[in-house]
Amino acid sequence: QSVLTQPPSVSGAPGQRVTISCTGNSSNIGEGHDVQWYQQLPGTAPKLLIFGNSNRPSGVPDRFSASKSDTSASLAITGLQAEDEADYYCLSFGIRLSVWVFGGGTKLTVL
Amino acid sequence: QVTLKESGPVLVKPTETLTLTCTVSGFSLSTAGMGVSWIRQPPGKALEWLAHIFSGDEKSYSTSLKTRLTISKDTSKSQVVLTMTNVDPVDTATYYCARVSRSGYYPFYYYFGMDVWGQGTTVTVSS
Repeated sequence: QSVLTQPPSVSGAPGQRVTISCTGNSSNIGEGHDVQWYQQLPGTAPKLLIFGNSNRPSGVPDRFSASKSDTSASLAITGLQAEDEADYYCLSFGIRLSVWVFGGGTKLTVL
Repeated sequence: QVTLKESGPVLVKPTETLTLTCTVSGFSLSTAGMGVSWIRQPPGKALEWLAHIFSGDEKSYSTSLKTRLTISKDTSKSQVVLTMTNVDPVDTATYYCARVSRSGYYPFYYYFGMDVWGQGTTVTVSS
């Protein structure tokens, strides 16, 4: 059981907006530590979607956005597309401890 | 082009030591701020971060596995090696390595995420 809690699943119809939450505690997100988000399409290696809480690497569509507040973070996907169907993971860490941890993952189903 | 490739045994017996190698290209392990992480994923389960090593040889380990893991690098060979002792069937997983970069200085690092991943190598622990 991860210290970062994500909903096991979310779903939405094409074109809709969905959000995925990532709830931590005062030892990780709540201590001001950054959050990253990863997308894992079926049968493939994960892909970096967001770093530094809300920054998209080059090539990631602006349909993907993220934010952080207090002890939680969220990933939003707008204009949902069939190819967005994947597992999504948040990650955070402790700067002093340098220990990273993933959330339990959320399966996004596009209806 | 930045690439990473994992290699290691497909099958390991319980109690043995697992040694995995990540061979990188397109960047140098000695470049300031560059590092490599290891992550694993048991079948049908979530990702689990295991360890990382940075250019200055700074190493960090998962809290739950730190007594069993050792990470090291050979810059001349562009390789990062992860060893896991006393393996158990629960260690059966796909093991990934990924490039990670950061800026700043201890303890105020800014991480740019794990931006390039290897394809993963599947390891089964069974007698």
